[in-house]
Amino acid sequence: GAVVSQHPSRVICKSGTSVKIECRSLDFQATTMFWYRQFPKQSLMLMATSNEGSKATYEQGVEKDKFLINHASLTLSTLTVTSAHPEDSSFYICSARPDRETEAFFGQGTRLTVV
Amino acid sequence: SQKIEQNSEALNIQEGKTATLTCNYTNYSPAYLQWYRQDPGRGPVFLLLIRENEKEKRKERLKVTFDTTLKQSLFHITASQPADSATYLCAPRRGNKLVFGAGTILRVKS
Repeated sequence: GAVVSQHPSRVICKSGTSVKIECRSLDFQATTMFWYRQFPKQSLMLMATSNEGSKATYEQGVEKDKFLINHASLTLSTLTVTSAHPEDSSFYICSARPDRETEAFFGQGTRLTVV
Repeated sequence: SQKIEQNSEALNIQEGKTATLTCNYTNYSPAYLQWYRQDPGRGPVFLLLIRENEKEKRKERLKVTFDTTLKQSLFHITASQPADSATYLCAPRRGNKLVFGAGTILRVKS
């Protein structure tokens, strides 16, 4: 299957700082990428849909000024958690699909810990 | 609102048996339904996709059915192995978004 690479896999940051997470589709182009958040023992919660060359579409309840998404190219989307706080600690996962009719492929996930 | 339900309790089965996982959805008419496997601390791994006009799909030891009348999908793993132990997620989709159920934990004991 197609490969989606997410980096970093783990990050610890201090409260008040910003953290950037990268998501790359390695062997296909993705006009749309998705960002999810997962709490322990819970399912994935869709945060936003990232569209190449345009603004991201955020789900209800997700603060767009806190979770900045940039989809700079057909193979790269970034999620920046700004002014992070301990409650932002979570597992963040991106996904991408080659086209609308195919399955989505997921990155390895990023464990964010804010101290 | 859309609701996706999977077996809330863990499924424990003996090695070699067939595991059957259930996914029910309401207030929703998905065009596709996808099944994923997730191991602890990892992203989901795609297993199978079935379309609304397909009743059944197979891949090696895996089989998925899709009943749009019952609004249900069943996921089967035959000849289960301890390595199949993981959380299995169903994800119906219509339109652009992929929304996940809570997942079912499968434990295969040798």
